Amino acid sequence: TQLLEQSPQFLSIQEGENLTVYCNSSSVFSSLQWYRQEPGEGPVLLVTVVTGGEVKKLKRLTFQFGDARKDSSLHITAAQPGDTGLYLCAAGDTNAGKSTFGDGTTLTVKP
Amino acid sequence: NAGVTQTPKFQVLKTGQSMTLQCAQDMNHNSMYWYRQDPGMGLRLIYYSASEGTTDKGEVPNGYNVSRLNKREFSLRLESAAPSQTSVYFCASSEFASGSLTQYFGPGTRLTVL
Repeated sequence: TQLLEQSPQFLSIQEGENLTVYCNSSSVFSSLQWYRQEPGEGPVLLVTVVTGGEVKKLKRLTFQFGDARKDSSLHITAAQPGDTGLYLCAAGDTNAGKSTFGDGTTLTVKP
Repeated sequence: NAGVTQTPKFQVLKTGQSMTLQCAQDMNHNSMYWYRQDPGMGLRLIYYSASEGTTDKGEVPNGYNVSRLNKREFSLRLESAAPSQTSVYFCASSEFASGSLTQYFGPGTRLTVL
């Protein structure tokens, strides 16, 4: 089982600030995904990264996959209150047909 | 398409009562999952079903049973509820594409066991 460690666990910032959250493991991933979960709802996929060193951008969100495929980061530029939520990283075990999730980073963006 | 649907949305049980959580997906996915999420924590896998007719234990299967009724439906049963099972339960289905598993989640069932 791949153990995913996310940091920080909680983050509270003002609107307009930048932030970075991290997802780390001692294992090598074939791919890694980031999900966002809003209060009272299920997680929704933001992005999948599969190649070491890969960078993907989704509007103000930038996702990076480490060169060794053991870690990933999510950077948000000019955070907005609508970014508030729980950010989860997940690594899929395609052979077993299941994924392991990190414990998440709870982000609060204050107006 | 409705995606993944779950019923009920909320449930309160007394210790020792039983109930079944229902889940259905209309995306023709082979794999389905049940997770629980406790406050401030991520998702812990209870059971999963890689295909119709198969089920496997996840990280926290004790106190639960599942049934993969057909390709669309995957139910979770609590035979004798305990306060430790108070949680939010999510069902998900997944597709395998571009070398990765993408999961699609239902809206959750919020269960309180008194």
